[in-house]
Amino acid sequence: KNQVEQSPQSLIILEGKNCTLQCNYTVSPFSNLRWYKQDTGRGPVSLTIMTFSENTKSNGRYTATLDADTKQSSLHITASQLSDSASYICVVSATGFQKLVFGTGTRLLVSP
Amino acid sequence: NAGVTQTPKFQVLKTGQSMTLQCAQDMNHEYMSWYRQDPGMGLRLIHYSVGAGITDQGEVPNGYNVSRSTTEDFPLRLLSAAPSQTSVYFCASRGEEAYGYTFGSGTRLTVV
Repeated sequence: KNQVEQSPQSLIILEGKNCTLQCNYTVSPFSNLRWYKQDTGRGPVSLTIMTFSENTKSNGRYTATLDADTKQSSLHITASQLSDSASYICVVSATGFQKLVFGTGTRLLVSP
Repeated sequence: NAGVTQTPKFQVLKTGQSMTLQCAQDMNHEYMSWYRQDPGMGLRLIHYSVGAGITDQGEVPNGYNVSRSTTEDFPLRLLSAAPSQTSVYFCASRGEEAYGYTFGSGTRLTVV
């Protein structure tokens, strides 16, 4: 069964600190993996997208990594800001299918 | 601003009522889709369309209808609302695979 699992479920960090969110997937055949940020009451917004051959991609203070062998990805946030408080969703798509498999997200709270 | 526009933002329905959730995009994207987001679960695909005149079912299509008469619009119809359809609904569109999906801001639906 195609699944995407994220950890931790929720996280509280102090402003200025770094954090890393995890994503494990069993989607096959793998096409690409995306990280989205979802602010409360808003739709998800794309942060990064990685294909099989990519193992690191950055978007400002966000850096995503992908290990296609172990089927794991991480999202590292550097020097967190209050505006980083949101849910972060890992999404994996399979080759040849229109269906995306969504994780349940990690809810991040950045505290002053 | 280019993007995906959803209306209404909030809606309360009585059981058995019908309604249409509107979704429009101005990016000339061929692919459009509808998702529902429930607490503790990842987004689930309801219906999708790969172009005008073409629609297909997703993971949870029961109780919903769609049509795609134009590239821009992809309305979602609830035929006879049930409390189990209480959820937040997101419309998304996609152009080139590399650029990911653009989500609307969502419609929060409550069925009483």
